[in-house]
Amino acid sequence: AAGVIQSPRHLIKEKRETATLKCYPIPRHDTVYWYQQGPGQDPQFLISFYEKMQSDKGSIPDRFSAQQFSDYHSELNMSSLELGDSALYFCASSPRDRDSYEQYFGPGTRLTVT
Amino acid sequence: GQNIDQPTEMTATEGAIVQINCTYQTSGFNGLFWYQQHAGEAPTFLSYNVLDGLEEKGRFSSFLSRSKGYSYLLLKELQMKDSASYLCAAEMNGDYKLSFGAGTTVTVRA
Repeated sequence: AAGVIQSPRHLIKEKRETATLKCYPIPRHDTVYWYQQGPGQDPQFLISFYEKMQSDKGSIPDRFSAQQFSDYHSELNMSSLELGDSALYFCASSPRDRDSYEQYFGPGTRLTVT
Repeated sequence: GQNIDQPTEMTATEGAIVQINCTYQTSGFNGLFWYQQHAGEAPTFLSYNVLDGLEEKGRFSSFLSRSKGYSYLLLKELQMKDSASYLCAAEMNGDYKLSFGAGTTVTVRA
């Protein structure tokens, strides 16, 4: 079965650089969520999109922005990177139909800021 | 956050049973998820409880008490591969994002 695809899987950037993470949800899933997980920490919700519109916003820094495109893939844009941004970034997708409530997580992008 | 509390670590022997407790803030609560996460990997779905009671799924069972703001995940017939972090996550009314607890690291020993 198709799963959530994230790219790249690993990314190394220097401070003050920019990064773009991509997420391709499971086909027919119209909702995408982004989570950030620091070392030894639980995943923290950043932002979500439903039908290409932002549906909820969590602890996403102003330096980050995201969007969902017409094909439902989503991109997380990160600017002025800081050392503290080093983390695993997970994308999850789900159908809005509440008969299927599970959020399916992608493999994550490991971002290292040096 | 949603004040989600769960123990930090638990250790058990192969073949044994372990129960991971989770408490959460009840105001605005909709449902409770349990995820399993191996180090460096994505969380994988284990269970979802929205009604009071016990949901059994093979070796794993999950319980919810909405009035008490309490859930537990029961792992039976533990196997070495069950060594992982188990995340309790609350879903609140009106939105679908998950608020995760800090996770419980379960170590299964031979």
